[in-house]
Amino acid sequence: DAGVIQSPRHEVTEMGQEVTLRCKPISGHNSLFWYRQTMMRGLELLIYFNNNVPIDDSGMPEDRFSAKMPNASFSTLKIQPSEPRDSAVYFCASSRDRLFTEAFFGQGTRLTVV
Amino acid sequence: ELKVEQNPLFLSMQEGKNYTIYCNYSTTSDRLYWYRQDPGKSLESLFVLLSNGAVKQEGRLMASLDTKARLSTLHITAAVHDLSATYFCAVGPSNSNYQLIWGAGTKLIIKP
Repeated sequence: DAGVIQSPRHEVTEMGQEVTLRCKPISGHNSLFWYRQTMMRGLELLIYFNNNVPIDDSGMPEDRFSAKMPNASFSTLKIQPSEPRDSAVYFCASSRDRLFTEAFFGQGTRLTVV
Repeated sequence: ELKVEQNPLFLSMQEGKNYTIYCNYSTTSDRLYWYRQDPGKSLESLFVLLSNGAVKQEGRLMASLDTKARLSTLHITAAVHDLSATYFCAVGPSNSNYQLIWGAGTKLIIKP
């Protein structure tokens, strides 16, 4: 398996623009997590899906953020409109189970909002 | 408040030396994870510790868990330059089976 695949790897956008981050989890994994990493706040869980269903989105910072998982092999994280404070590295991780015992992270998307 | 504290946050050491990174946490937990991150890269799973007294070793790294003391250690033996990275511990609270509380990370630099 190619692992968790995220795209794009880097995104530079202007404030106010819509940004969509994509993730393909490892086949057979039923749990998917979106994390955000910044120097100031470290790693934060944004949203957790189990069997394509959003279980916990309490970490989504604002209504500007939304996430979907239309099927077991694809998820998106959308920011609309984007703001400079959204600049961060966004990671997607997938796991065989919700306990994160066999979890793998994608390479991340480095988002810069100018 | 749930807290995970790593120390030190920064460590510079010579090759060949031994050292320990500590991870203290404030909640009851039966799951503790250690991850490695190279600059600009993803997070790589090193160890998953699921019970009190658990000890796991891989190469020059050994991790242990004491749930009663709410403490995990990552011990580095005879460090080599390739182990330079940032090391994170993460704790799974007992009242949540998917949430993880992450430490701030320990940036380890190993000098030749």
